[in-house]
Amino acid sequence: SAVISQKPSRDICQRGTSLTIQCQVDSQVTMMFWYRQQPGQSLTLIATANQGSEATYESGFVIDKFPISRPNLTFSTLTVSNMSPEDSSIYLCSVELEGRGLDTQYFGPGTRLTVL
Amino acid sequence: SQKIEQNSEALNIQEGKTATLTCNYTNYSPAYLQWYRQDPGRGPVFLLLIRENEKEKRKERLKVTFDTTLKQSLFHITASQPADSATYLCALDVTGGGNKLTFGTGTQLKVEL
Repeated sequence: SAVISQKPSRDICQRGTSLTIQCQVDSQVTMMFWYRQQPGQSLTLIATANQGSEATYESGFVIDKFPISRPNLTFSTLTVSNMSPEDSSIYLCSVELEGRGLDTQYFGPGTRLTVL
Repeated sequence: SQKIEQNSEALNIQEGKTATLTCNYTNYSPAYLQWYRQDPGRGPVFLLLIRENEKEKRKERLKVTFDTTLKQSLFHITASQPADSATYLCALDVTGGGNKLTFGTGTQLKVEL
């Protein structure tokens, strides 16, 4: 398995500001994913971030609101821009380990964001 | 639209009993289905994967069945323990292209002494 860390673990932010969430993996991975989990809800995929290419966003998510960087094979960032209370959620990154089976993903601990 | 539904009601069972959780999906024929466990304040943890040509998969006290005709997967925990208390999520790739998992709503299981 992979060890995945996220920073910060939680934050409280003011409306209109931006927060950048970091995801660090202890091994090199090609595919990284960013999810949102709103209170009492399941996980919703925001985007897929592969090293060396632009992130691919799911319907309902746009790059201007959730810019993603993937500078190398062990690290990615997700920025939540111009935040509103509706962005209050847990944000999770995950990775898919090559050769470990079909689409099995390993998740970080999540970043709990509260927007006031 | 494509849906993945799990029982939204929490499941409370006594220690030692078998817990059975249900995952139903519509409008898709996935090649496989996965089950994850999520504890409060943590990310999901992969438990089991079952392919469309497999009727049943076991791992220690866990058993998963996959009925592609009914479009349903059942997840069983035998001899349940309080430590099994968590939210259990099913997930599958609804696009057919691989790599993109769509998760069900999750079922919260509570195992009582």
